[in-house]
Amino acid sequence: EIVLTQSPTTMAASPGEKVTLTCRASSSVSYMHWYQQRSGASPKLWIYETSKLASGVPNRFSGSGSGTSYSLTINSMETEDAATYYCQQGSSYPPTFGAGTKLELK
Amino acid sequence: EVQLVESGGGLVQPGRSLKLSCAASGFTFSSFPMAWVRQAPKKGLEWVASISSGGGGTYYPDSVKGRFTISRDNAKSTLYLQMDSLRSEDTASYYCARHFSNSNWFAYWGQGTLVTVSS
Repeated sequence: EIVLTQSPTTMAASPGEKVTLTCRASSSVSYMHWYQQRSGASPKLWIYETSKLASGVPNRFSGSGSGTSYSLTINSMETEDAATYYCQQGSSYPPTFGAGTKLELK
Repeated sequence: EVQLVESGGGLVQPGRSLKLSCAASGFTFSSFPMAWVRQAPKKGLEWVASISSGGGGTYYPDSVKGRFTISRDNAKSTLYLQMDSLRSEDTASYYCARHFSNSNWFAYWGQGTLVTVSS
């Protein structure tokens, strides 16, 4: 099973600040996918196949990476971006998720 | 608009069974693999089961293999999860999710249904 390690576990960012969340895989994966989960809501696909934004996702978000190291970047933090972000790999069974990064507004 | 609506959650005693349902609409249900993903209270996400578009292929992690059974009725656009021999560690919100085509990631999610296993 591929283990995904997300960092940091929790962070706070001010409006306008640049934010980078990371996800490291225990073995190489072809792609990384990211989900946003706001408090009390179900997860939503946010970024797929490492760098493609899901429908409706603002272009201040971007994704990058390869092999075992991936990241999600917010170019300029906004209030609505406060949420927990999970990375997920589907390159090998079982599909696995990271433990999440909780992003708070400072 | 894709909609996935789960039902069937509730309080159940350890060792008992429960069956979840997920009513799908807004897409051609029979064309897509489907999955269940769970989230224990205040915890992260865990994939629980997947089923191929035609229902002939089913997949589980070791944590539920032999206890949970995923199935689907394409005529009714409905996904199911039969959960047997439930344990306290199965307590979670269970989300129905649609795979993106034949890839192992999840394009759409339902609102979830809470299963509590407790005596």
